[in-house]
Amino acid sequence: AQSVTQLDSHVSVSEGTPVLLRCNYSSSYSPSLFWYVQHPNKGLQLLLKYTSAATLVKGINGFEAEFKKSETSFHLTKPSAHMSDAAEYFCVVSTGTGGSYIPTFGRGTSLIVHP
Amino acid sequence: GAGVSQTPSNKVTEKGKYVELRCDPISGHTALYWYRQSLGQGPEFLIYFQGTGAADDSGLPNDRFFAVRPEGSVSTLKIQRTERGDSAVYLCASSLQTSVGDTQYFGPGTRLTVL
Repeated sequence: AQSVTQLDSHVSVSEGTPVLLRCNYSSSYSPSLFWYVQHPNKGLQLLLKYTSAATLVKGINGFEAEFKKSETSFHLTKPSAHMSDAAEYFCVVSTGTGGSYIPTFGRGTSLIVHP
Repeated sequence: GAGVSQTPSNKVTEKGKYVELRCDPISGHTALYWYRQSLGQGPEFLIYFQGTGAADDSGLPNDRFFAVRPEGSVSTLKIQRTERGDSAVYLCASSLQTSVGDTQYFGPGTRLTVL
């Protein structure tokens, strides 16, 4: 079984300040983990993914995430928020359990960036 | 190159009617996924195809929902006797193959409204 919990439904930051979006997962097998971003009226876009290589993963637009097995976490960070970062962010886990490759999405975190 | 496309972008129908939603994946992608996203929620898995066959349809909510991919490229999601609860954004995604770490590329979605 696999599940993912995004700990905050909304995160509000000021432009230029750090961003932290939290994600915890549960899986019976070694997971792959993803962060996707969804801008209003746009399709979901991959930010970054972890697939059992380096635990610190760098993505697009200055985002990065660290896989911490002991904490079952995969938090998304960015040193300095930009207005264009305002969007919905989804954490995703996939384990291929039983040969079926069904990703499980979190409920999403809405990032609000204030000028 | 062209991304994943979905048609129509919006569909309004009356309760009890039949609808078809189309997905054109990225050329060469063997895996195709359908999701449903309700307001304020993350995408919820419905079904995925590996080639022409449905590899896992465990997410289809009931037998009113059906999907096909006869030639291993374009897929159609079919909903019979629509209900108001079927109103949601239906997302399609494709990936090069089916594996745990594969990136899924999403279409813009079809917004279905059942009156």
